[in-house]
Amino acid sequence: GQQLNQSPQSMFIQEGEDVSMNCTSSSIFNTWLWYKQDPGEGPVLLIALYKAGELTSNGRLTAQFGITRKDSFLNISASIPSDVGIYFCAGQKMDSNYQLIWGAGTKLIIKP
Amino acid sequence: EPEVTQTPSHQVTQMGQEVILRCVPISNHLYFYWYRQILGQKVEFLVSFYNNEISEKSEIFDDQFSVERPDGSNFTLKIRSTKLEDSAMYFCAIYPGQGANEQFFGPGTRLTVL
Repeated sequence: GQQLNQSPQSMFIQEGEDVSMNCTSSSIFNTWLWYKQDPGEGPVLLIALYKAGELTSNGRLTAQFGITRKDSFLNISASIPSDVGIYFCAGQKMDSNYQLIWGAGTKLIIKP
Repeated sequence: EPEVTQTPSHQVTQMGQEVILRCVPISNHLYFYWYRQILGQKVEFLVSFYNNEISEKSEIFDDQFSVERPDGSNFTLKIRSTKLEDSAMYFCAIYPGQGANEQFFGPGTRLTVL
C-alpha cells in the first residue's frame, strides 16, 4: 500500500528556533495536508497544498508541495511554547474517495 | 470552518461487548470518514461513506465494524465484539466537497477495552 515516511520522529528545540520536518513517499499524491494534533484532541488542519511546487504560508508556518508530487516539507519559524504537539503530514490518494494516507508524525518538544 | 462533534469523548468497555461511537457533522459534507489512532501511532483510515453507503474500506475494517446513518444526520461506527486491540482514538472526519480537498476532524472518542 501507499506509505508516507515522515521525519524526524521527534524534535527537541529551544523556544525561538526554527523547525523543519518533511514527508516523502514512493507514490504520487494530488494533495498534501499538514495537521497538528494536541494530546487528546483531533487533528487540526494547518496547511493544504494542491499543486506541485506550491509554497504556502500560514503565519509562522510554511509548507511546500514537492515538484515530483512525492514529498512535502513544513517549516515553523521562531517557535513558541504553543507549537508543542505532534505534526502529521497526510497525502490524498488520487481517486474519488479523497482518502488520506498519514505519516507517523513528528513530535515537537520545546525545551524551557 | 466545518465542524464535527463526536460522542462520547471516552468509552470504556469490556472485551466482547458492542460499542457504538457517534458523530454529528455540523455542516454539509460530501464524504464522511472514520479513522483510528492507536495511542502513540499514526492515524489509520477505516472507512469512507458517500451517498449513504460505504465507498471504500481498509483491511482494518473487518466484519466486526459497521457504519450507519440512522437518522439522516448522525453517523455511527459500531464495533460488534470489541477486542483489546480495538483500544484507540476514533476520529470521524468530513470532506465538504466545496472545491478544496481538505478533511476536517472531530475531537475523537477514546475507546478503552478492558
